[in-house]
Amino acid sequence: TQLLEQSPQFLSIQEGENLTVYCNSSSVFSSLQWYRQEPGEGPVLLVTVVTGGEVKKLKRLTFQFGDARKDSSLHITAAQPGDTGLYLCAGGGYQKVTFGIGTKLQVIP
Amino acid sequence: GAVVSQHPSWVICKSGTSVKIECRSLDFQATTMFWYRQFPKQSLMLMATSNEGSKATYEQGVEKDKFLINHASLTLSTLTVTSAHPEDSSFYICSARPVSGELFFGEGSRLTVL
Repeated sequence: TQLLEQSPQFLSIQEGENLTVYCNSSSVFSSLQWYRQEPGEGPVLLVTVVTGGEVKKLKRLTFQFGDARKDSSLHITAAQPGDTGLYLCAGGGYQKVTFGIGTKLQVIP
Repeated sequence: GAVVSQHPSWVICKSGTSVKIECRSLDFQATTMFWYRQFPKQSLMLMATSNEGSKATYEQGVEKDKFLINHASLTLSTLTVTSAHPEDSSFYICSARPVSGELFFGEGSRLTVL
């Protein structure tokens, strides 16, 4: 079974600060996805990383896939209250996707 | 991105009754859909993989007679919680993949069993 570990699990920061969330595994993934979920709603796909070493940017969010495709990171620059939510990494094959436990981020105005 | 819709968004029922939750892919066909359960402040737990035209594949520990899954068409899967009890109260989420391979999620359905 492929497992994904996310850290930190909880993060509370002030508006304007930077932060990084990590997603690690002992297994190699063909791709990893990052999702953001708000309370009472389903997860929304942010990005998919496929190539080892790949870096993708989505406004103030920077996603990186490790060279060995076993880990990924999400960096948020100048966090805003609207970034508050549960961030999930996920990976796996077509038939089954494994989710990390999630990082609950709170950005305080 | 692709759209996956769930209905109802929330439901309250009495203990012992059955509840059906629908998951529809609105703008693509999905031969496979997935059902998850999410407890407060926790990640998604895969319950089963719903396969169009065949039986669902359940994860270990998930009772298939308790959580009935029917994948009636390429755009619709249903999850029926039978003889619901308060411990079945949870947030249930479905997901589906278009050809692109990325996973899109429904809005989720919050079930409360009194």
